[in-house]
Amino acid sequence: AQSVTQPDIHITVSEGASLELRCNYSYGATPYLFWYVQSPGQGLQLLLKYFSGDTLVQGIKGFEAEFKRSQSSFNLRKPSVHWSDAAEYFCAVNDYKLSFGAGTTVTVRA
Amino acid sequence: NAGVTQTPKFQVLKTGQSMTLQCAQDMNHEYMSWYRQDPGMGLRLIHYSVGAGITDQGEVPNGYNVSRSTTEDFPLRLLSAAPSQTSVYFCASSYSRLQGQKRTQYFGPGTRLLVL
Repeated sequence: AQSVTQPDIHITVSEGASLELRCNYSYGATPYLFWYVQSPGQGLQLLLKYFSGDTLVQGIKGFEAEFKRSQSSFNLRKPSVHWSDAAEYFCAVNDYKLSFGAGTTVTVRA
Repeated sequence: NAGVTQTPKFQVLKTGQSMTLQCAQDMNHEYMSWYRQDPGMGLRLIHYSVGAGITDQGEVPNGYNVSRSTTEDFPLRLLSAAPSQTSVYFCASSYSRLQGQKRTQYFGPGTRLLVL
């Protein structure tokens, strides 16, 4: 069975600082991996996705993620955080059915 | 192209009442699904469909029914609402028969349901 673990429930970061959100997955084959972002009261927006090929994936809003098969990880990074990045972030793995992690809430302080 | 639409945006029910959450997509996606979102639990799959006339259960199907009579629509029915069904419900769709990039799921804006 597939599953996703996001170890950090809540992260606080200063504006302009770097951000890294952790994601570990369990899946029997090569996974399809996703990061979604959800602003308060809003739906889910796709940030980026990994299907195959280059293990460093670029997404929208300046985010990137790196797939590491040996560590079963797909961590999300941003070099310099903006106040508008405050949101909840979900990592997901997909066969036909998408399995989500519990999410990481990011707070950005001025 | 409206993408995935959901109605209503917000609903209050009394215990035991029934209702249908509507979901529609105009992208000709074969795959549609329903999730519920609860604090600290991420999104959990309720039911899904790989095409018209085909539905299957997800992780948390109890208390919910679905049907898929057309490619575009995938309604979720609560037959007898319970307070435990208070949640935010998201519908999603994607291509299913094609590999790779086209399997990305697109989400609707969600329906907030409060059961008293």
